[in-house]
Amino acid sequence: NAGVTQTPKFRVLKTGQSMTLLCAQDMNHEYMYWYRQDPGMGLRLIHYSVGEGTTAKGEVPDGYNVSRLKKQNFLLGLESAAPSQTSVYFCASTSRVDTQYFGPGTRLTVL
Amino acid sequence: EDKVVQSPLSLVVHEGDTVTLNCSYEVTNFRSLLWYKQEKKAPTFLFMLTSSGIEKKSGRLSSILDKKELFSILNITATQTGDSAVYLCAGAPSSNTGKLIFGQGTTLQVKP
Repeated sequence: NAGVTQTPKFRVLKTGQSMTLLCAQDMNHEYMYWYRQDPGMGLRLIHYSVGEGTTAKGEVPDGYNVSRLKKQNFLLGLESAAPSQTSVYFCASTSRVDTQYFGPGTRLTVL
Repeated sequence: EDKVVQSPLSLVVHEGDTVTLNCSYEVTNFRSLLWYKQEKKAPTFLFMLTSSGIEKKSGRLSSILDKKELFSILNITATQTGDSAVYLCAGAPSSNTGKLIFGQGTTLQVKP
């Protein structure tokens, strides 16, 4: 039981490049979330999903897209990376309106 | 707009000290408040509080919620260097989305 995993752990992009972050959970959770964490700003919700095939915008969705084609996976895409997207990205999941379980994070730098 | 505010933002203490971390919230249709500990990686769950005045305890950590004054505190007694971390507080509204509203976090450094 790996819990929540994220791929990759680190990535450096140039401005304008695209990439996809993968989140996978093996706990059969319905709900999944993508956050970004910047110094002094806590965790801010980017997008979330309440079930397979559904997605919704969070607090800071601009510049990101997501997909939930399979229940266990939640993908976060950056179509044209900008330096303002330099951050640590966390994925989380939960079975219901309860505590969320977090992945180890992805550190992204956009030059 | 829902918000959660933590104070202080950072704190430096010495081993053996007792610390109190504060969290105030304004969350529409409030359901519960959660505390997490983050040590350079993923946040890990500490407590979930739903009722006022009932203390939750785990070892040297304890937490309580005041739903009238809209705040929660996290106490750590006899601090150890291993308690050094960012402590995150989050409010959970009653909804079918499971969304949490996080505060900025309190960075605690415990010196030997």
